Amino acid sequence: GAVVSQHPSWVICKSGTSVKIECRSLDFQATTMFWYRQFPKQSLMLMATSNEGSKATYEQGVEKDKFLINHASLTLSTLTVTSAHPEDSSFYICSARYEGNQPQHFGDGTRLSIL
Amino acid sequence: RKEVEQDPGPFNVPEGATVAFNCTYSNSASQSFFWYRQDCRKEPKLLMSVYSSGNEDGRFTAQLNRASQYISLLIRDSKLSDSATYLCVVNTHGQNFVFGPGTRLSVLP
Repeated sequence: GAVVSQHPSWVICKSGTSVKIECRSLDFQATTMFWYRQFPKQSLMLMATSNEGSKATYEQGVEKDKFLINHASLTLSTLTVTSAHPEDSSFYICSARYEGNQPQHFGDGTRLSIL
Repeated sequence: RKEVEQDPGPFNVPEGATVAFNCTYSNSASQSFFWYRQDCRKEPKLLMSVYSSGNEDGRFTAQLNRASQYISLLIRDSKLSDSATYLCVVNTHGQNFVFGPGTRLSVLP
């Protein structure tokens, strides 16, 4: 099946640090990539949708200046959490889709802990 | 009304039991449907797509009723390893996937 790689899988850093998370589709070209956040025992929350070569579309309530998304190629999208604070601690998961009605395939997720 | 709704759960069943998950969606223009499973502290993994004619994969059977806007997942002969949260996912072409809240299953020895 399709493989999506996410890196790093775990980050612990000090408040105020910016953290960059990479999401790669390894065996297919992803026209669309999605970024989600999930707090413990809660549902996945879509943060933003990115299409290769264009600006990401952010969900309501998600600060685009706080969560910078770059989708520079059909196989790579990055999420940068700028000036992270403890309330940004969460499980961040990316997913990629080839096109249209195809299913999303998820990366392993990144557990972010801000001290 | 939420776009995708699922049984609230959790379901606690003994090994070998048959368990059914229900899901309803509100957007009649939805075109593709999936079941994902998510283990604790892990990413969701695609379990199976759901086709109009219904489809089966081993112990798992998925069905779709477009008229009722209803999707189901049946697990037969449940195993301990089936314990997870099952997510119903609905997609409308050109729009984002919508995930249901999930139903947690615990299969007990």
